[in-house]
Amino acid sequence: SQELEQSPQSLIVQEGKNLTINCTSSKTLYGLYWYKQKYGEGLIFLMMLQKGGEEKSHEKITAKLDEKKQQSSLHITASQPSHAGIYLCGAPKGGGNTPLVFGKGTRLSVIA
Amino acid sequence: NAGVTQTPKFRVLKTGQSMTLLCAQDMNHEYMYWYRQDPGMGLRLIHYSVGEGTTAKGEVPDGYNVSRLKKQNFLLGLESAAPSQTSVYFCASSYFPGRNTEAFFGQGTRLTVV
Repeated sequence: SQELEQSPQSLIVQEGKNLTINCTSSKTLYGLYWYKQKYGEGLIFLMMLQKGGEEKSHEKITAKLDEKKQQSSLHITASQPSHAGIYLCGAPKGGGNTPLVFGKGTRLSVIA
Repeated sequence: NAGVTQTPKFRVLKTGQSMTLLCAQDMNHEYMYWYRQDPGMGLRLIHYSVGEGTTAKGEVPDGYNVSRLKKQNFLLGLESAAPSQTSVYFCASSYFPGRNTEAFFGQGTRLTVV
């Protein structure tokens, strides 16, 4: 079944700096989902990517999907303390209409 | 806007005790899921349901049972709790899994088994 590897596992950046989180799949990606989790809370949906080459942005967060490389990247521009949290990528475990499996997450800290 | 509601939010159990976690969604979603989240392991799928009256095993189903008697509710049961089941449990729901629709998550249940 699908396995997702995220890198880095953790990241500490200075406020205002840019950063990128990667998510690499062991199999063909049939869509890729990005979620954010604050400590002690549930997951908040960020973006969904469905097609190779697709790129979506929300505020200062941009996500891209490279189907050939079986990889997605999440880029944050000019990071702020509000960006701190755990970022998780998820993908259908068996392709098509199957439940999501997730990577282990990337813990982001933003320091002043 | 309730979304996905989990009950309880916190619980401490003794080894061997049983309990049921309740998940309720008010979005008329067909699909519901139970995940557990452990440090260094990420989110792992325990069981899921594709509709009322159906259930299916996920990645880590052992030691858990589920029921979906009503479309809006998905129950997760631990018959005889073990310390290895100490975790944060998340329920989620979606119209369909995978493509095209995202899953909505509850706030989690923090369970400690001593």
